[in-house]
Amino acid sequence: DAKTTQPTSMDCAEGRAANLPCNHSTISGNEYVYWYRQIHSQGPQYIIHGLKNNETNEMASLIITEDRKSSTLILPHATLRDTAVYYCIVRVAKGGSEKLVFGKGTKLTVNP
Amino acid sequence: DTEVTQTPKHLVMGMTNKKSLKCEQHMGHRAMYWYKQKAKKPPELMFVYSYEKLSINESVPSRFSPECPNSSLLNLHLHALQPEDSALYLCASSQTVIMNTEAFFGQGTRLTVV
Repeated sequence: DAKTTQPTSMDCAEGRAANLPCNHSTISGNEYVYWYRQIHSQGPQYIIHGLKNNETNEMASLIITEDRKSSTLILPHATLRDTAVYYCIVRVAKGGSEKLVFGKGTKLTVNP
Repeated sequence: DTEVTQTPKHLVMGMTNKKSLKCEQHMGHRAMYWYKQKAKKPPELMFVYSYEKLSINESVPSRFSPECPNSSLLNLHLHALQPEDSALYLCASSQTVIMNTEAFFGQGTRLTVV
């Protein structure tokens, strides 16, 4: 399974952009990169996903490098409610099915 | 409606008990998943169902028995569990397993085995 590597923790000031990096150097050509976040003891919440183009939605932007070996999630104006564990995930194909393989995640703390 | 509903929210069971976790979605999704999450760890995939058929079993012990009675429901039957099985059990669903779509997660069932 393609694995992801993320910093264990990061801090960000409220109102500033939070840039969360992820390495996925073994990703295959048809595997998507997904980002989820999990606020303490709740279910993971979908943020964004992409294959090779940069993506943007109302929550965040996803920048994927040209070689697809790494990506960055950008929260443009972090708020205190964005404090959570952020998971970079590669959607892996297996036996005609697919699965989300979670990495260890980055604990983002947004400070006032 | 993008909700995945899991019941119960909390469950305490003895090692000789039989219990079931329930997951329900009404988004017309045809793929459903069970994950297990230990404290301070990422979720780990247990099972994937596609069109009501089991498509992935991540070598889960037989004391965990999944069931998908219809396209909206996913159950996880528990029997003879061990204290180390205590965890947050998460259910998720997605449109299918092979499309470029997101999976939606429920809030989980927090299981304690005593």
